[in-house]
Amino acid sequence: AQSVTQLDSHVSVSEGTPVLLRCNYSSSYSPSLFWYVQHPNKGLQLLLKYTSAATLVKGINGFEAEFKKSETSFHLTKPSAHMSDAAEYFCVVSDDTGRRALTFGSGTRLQVQP
Amino acid sequence: GAGVSQSPRYKVTKRGQDVTLRCDPISSHATLYWYQQALGQGPEFLTYFNYEAQPDKSGLPSDRFSAERPEGSISTLTIQRTEQRDSAMYRCASSLAGGYQETQYFGPGTRLLVL
Repeated sequence: AQSVTQLDSHVSVSEGTPVLLRCNYSSSYSPSLFWYVQHPNKGLQLLLKYTSAATLVKGINGFEAEFKKSETSFHLTKPSAHMSDAAEYFCVVSDDTGRRALTFGSGTRLQVQP
Repeated sequence: GAGVSQSPRYKVTKRGQDVTLRCDPISSHATLYWYQQALGQGPEFLTYFNYEAQPDKSGLPSDRFSAERPEGSISTLTIQRTEQRDSAMYRCASSLAGGYQETQYFGPGTRLLVL
């Protein structure tokens, strides 16, 4: 069975400083990994995804994530936080067992202080 | 359509009533998914459709929950005899063909409150 652990439920950073949101996964098979963002009263939007090509994945709005198989991690980073980055972020895993479901982490709420 | 749409956006109902939620996926997408998201949690899988077929119902929490997609486009999720524990955000998503590497595109969700 696959699972995702987001290590921090809340992260607070100052505008202009780096962002690190941590994610560890468990999957018996070759996983695909995603980061989705949820702004208040809006749907879930894909930030980036890893699908067994390059291990460093670049996404929208300056975010990137690195797939590290040895550490079973897929941490999300951004060099410089912007006020508009304040939102809830979900790390998500799917695998090639044939089950179509995405498995979500419990989310990390990012606060950006002026 | 341009994106996934859901209706209603908010639904308040009394315990014991039936509710039906609607999802209109991206028009070219074969696969449609339903998720339930409790407050403070990530979404959890309920069921999915490939066109009108429903290969996986394993996430439906009880037989009070059912979903259909009779013509392979719009889908409905029905909860019979609602209970307070059914209060949650219900999210619909669609993808092009259902591959595990594909992006699932999510709608805005329906927030259900059972009093």
